[in-house]
Amino acid sequence: GESVGLHLPTLSVQEGDNSIINCAYSNSASDYFIWYKQESGKGPQFIIDIRSNMDKRQGQRVTVLLNKTVKHLSLQIAATQPGDSAVYFCAENSGNQAGTALIFGKGTTLSVSS
Amino acid sequence: EAEVAQSPRYKITEKSQAVAFWCDPISGHATLYWYRQILGQGPELLVQFQDESVVDDSQLPKDRFSAERLKGVDSTLKIQPAELGDSAMYLCASSDGTSGGVETQYFGPGTRLLVL
Repeated sequence: GESVGLHLPTLSVQEGDNSIINCAYSNSASDYFIWYKQESGKGPQFIIDIRSNMDKRQGQRVTVLLNKTVKHLSLQIAATQPGDSAVYFCAENSGNQAGTALIFGKGTTLSVSS
Repeated sequence: EAEVAQSPRYKITEKSQAVAFWCDPISGHATLYWYRQILGQGPELLVQFQDESVVDDSQLPKDRFSAERLKGVDSTLKIQPAELGDSAMYLCASSDGTSGGVETQYFGPGTRLLVL
């Protein structure tokens, strides 16, 4: 079936560096994408989302880029901090019966060393 | 800040026993989701409610799993009987449910289930 995937299972960076986490999706009909951060033992925490009519959206220290031509999504974290260490998931709307449930990728584990 | 509440946070049970998980969504959120997350993987949808109605339970193993949201507010997910393969994190999420389209989903802390 169609699914969202991430290019790298792990990413290690130094504190203060910029981090880029990538995600490829396969459903060209998806019109909504979202990034979540999940710390150990906790539920996913919303970071930022983007709709398919945009190619870039910025938040506080985070930027999401959407390239619909190659079906690629990325999350950029500026000045990465130790508190950013977590698993990051991208997700897309699944087109289920209600059209709103999400399909998640496997996740990228970000490790930030100080 | 409003949050999705779940209980219990942890549950250990023996196979063939019954377990139940509870979720209280963000106040006013009409749409409620139950997801299951196996260790090392992303969450997968089990069931979706719009108010008190099920709008998608296609991935719910209905021979052993049931879910209800009787008054359109809080929800209960039940497993009977539990099997070893049910060990996972069970996550509840909610969204506003009024836009008619996709909306940001907010997750609770989850219930970690271990079946022995």
